[in-house]
Amino acid sequence: GAGVSQSPSNKVTEKGKDVELRCDPISGHTALYWYRQSLGQGLEFLIYFQGNSAPDKSGLPSDRFSAERTGGSVSTLTIQRTQQEDSAVYLCASSLRDSKAFFGQGTRLTVV
Amino acid sequence: DAKTTQPPSMDCAEGRAANLPCNHSTISGNEYVYWYRQIHSQGPQYIIHGLKNNETNEMASLIITEDRKSSTLILPHATLRDTAVYYCIVRVAPSGSARQLTFGSGTQLTVLP
Repeated sequence: GAGVSQSPSNKVTEKGKDVELRCDPISGHTALYWYRQSLGQGLEFLIYFQGNSAPDKSGLPSDRFSAERTGGSVSTLTIQRTQQEDSAVYLCASSLRDSKAFFGQGTRLTVV
Repeated sequence: DAKTTQPPSMDCAEGRAANLPCNHSTISGNEYVYWYRQIHSQGPQYIIHGLKNNETNEMASLIITEDRKSSTLILPHATLRDTAVYYCIVRVAPSGSARQLTFGSGTQLTVLP
């Protein structure tokens, strides 16, 4: 596609359940980023993938959060045993190495 | 990364120039000034960035003071579609990198018809 695609666009889950969020970056982009944005808050960095290098996981808030990127393209962010404080919009972005990044529309996660 | 200060909200008449200020008094010599915006329910969008010199692109102009302690983003002819939250960020990074971007609360710009 022409832009970064994220799915689902909305997800409502029960507390304690696991969720998977998907990101399809722009074709050919080697860098992929995950951020989250809580209601009325700024962007919070989660994780960064660049090519075959080890990902920068310094922003993951707890060990319940993990992400992988298969074949240097699609990425999945997994949140285990979801908590209400995990409710946020999860944004994915991609870029050519460290150049200008393009963001997706995000996945709005609501934990009830 | 240096802290930035922006007004929480501004209004601008359609067709007029929108001037969005940002203070970054603790900026270091190797830190760039970036501007992003986020239209409601969309992901952030890169606008422009600069180090020392004023910059202009198809979207906006960036004016950086000589002491680099503040800057102004200028949208020369604001349209209703420019209504968004505008974020000023200061960080060490090449080009428009999104690596570890940290957004504050930004300025809500409302363009009025």
